[in-house]
Parts: sequence; structure tokens; C-alpha cells
Amino acid sequence: ETGVTQSPTHLIKTRGQQVTLRCSSQSGHNTVSWYQQALGQGPQFIFQYYREEENGRGNFPPRFSGLQFPNYSSELNVNALELDDSALYLCASSVGLAGMSYEQDFGPGTRLTVT
Amino acid sequence: AQTVTQSQPEMSVQEAETVTLSCTYDTSESDYYLFWYKQPPSRQMILVIRQEAYKQQNATENRFSVNFQKAAKSFSLKISDSQLGDAAMYFCAYLVEEGGSEKLVFGKGTKLTVNP
Repeated sequence: ETGVTQSPTHLIKTRGQQVTLRCSSQSGHNTVSWYQQALGQGPQFIFQYYREEENGRGNFPPRFSGLQFPNYSSELNVNALELDDSALYLCASSVGLAGMSYEQDFGPGTRLTVT
Repeated sequence: AQTVTQSQPEMSVQEAETVTLSCTYDTSESDYYLFWYKQPPSRQMILVIRQEAYKQQNATENRFSVNFQKAAKSFSLKISDSQLGDAAMYFCAYLVEEGGSEKLVFGKGTKLTVNP
């Protein structure tokens, strides 16, 4: 297992609600990436945070937002939940940007169900 | 377009036998990184093996090895002496630098079953 932790493990929300997912990165890692994995699919990149700044975003609407804290932990917030947001949300931490590290260590994920 | 294609949705292998999982990708970059991740039912995505595109030598990690064909943009994973614990979803991915970030682009995965 990696040192990346995520909470909660499972979550059930109602359409239109808001949700916050949390991730603690591996010790020594300063970059956090979030991925959405729909059932039967590979993970899709949502965004990445490096030293508390968003430095890249995938094809996700603005209602997906995030934060990174000084200790490099991170939050993913989703507003106005839709049924299609039901998925496994994976957090991955890594060291630095291009040229420094290429391996992303994943957490166990948060399973979000929107009803 | 940056894409990863895993053409085998499911594969099965007998315990102790060898199996090869296929992966092709599309990129215009000349230098990049390729990965195979394993995702068991516990959902944790575990790195199996990585390959730097500038290295001609195929990567190996114990029973896992890759066949990297850069010109063909092919990156297959060979599992030797398959064990019951190898049963999982396997995802091929490559790392893309875009807009200041590094993101992994994944295929849809191959479900590997290991039969005793």
C-alpha cells in the first residue's frame, strides 16, 4: 500500500447536493492529482495541484473544484451533483513536476454514489 | 488526440502460465513515460512497471516484463508464472505534460482472471 489516504471510503449524496472529498498525500510529495473513474472505465484526469496552486485541468466543468493545503493534503469539491458524477474518485500524489518524478502513487479512492 | 487502447476487455490464464496484455497509444511526443497499473477489487491502483520511452531496453520487474515497440506505439505487459494474486484489472497509461501539469492518460483496462 502507498502512504496516500482518502476519506471517506464511501459516500451517498442526492442530486443537487455538494460534496467534499479529502486526500492526504504521501510524505515528501508536493503534487496531488485527482481522477474520476466511472464504472468499467479507466481513470480520467480532473486536475492537479502543485504547491497549493491548480496547474492543470482536464475536461471537467467548473463545479469541480479543489484545494491544496500547506501540508500538501488536498480536497476535491463537487457542487450541484449530477447522477453522472457517480464514480470512484482517486487521488494520486507525486514529487514535483516534469523532470523530477514520473510516478504517481494512488490512494484507495472514494466511491461516490449520487441518487 | 491522446489515447490509449487496450483491445482485450478480458483475459484469462492458468496458474503458473504466461499471459500477455496488449496496449497501444497515440502521442506526438518523442519522450514520454509509460506505465502498467494493477487495480484489484480493493480499488487501490498499484504501479506494476514503468518504461521511459528514450530507453530501448524493455523494463522488467520480477515476473512482469514489457515489450515496448516505440515505432509501433505498442506497450504490452507479459506476466510469467501467473499467480492467483495477479487477478485484477490492468490499466495501461502514459504520462502527458500539458499546460504545466503532468497527467496520466489511461486505457479502459483489461480484466485478468487467473484459474487454479
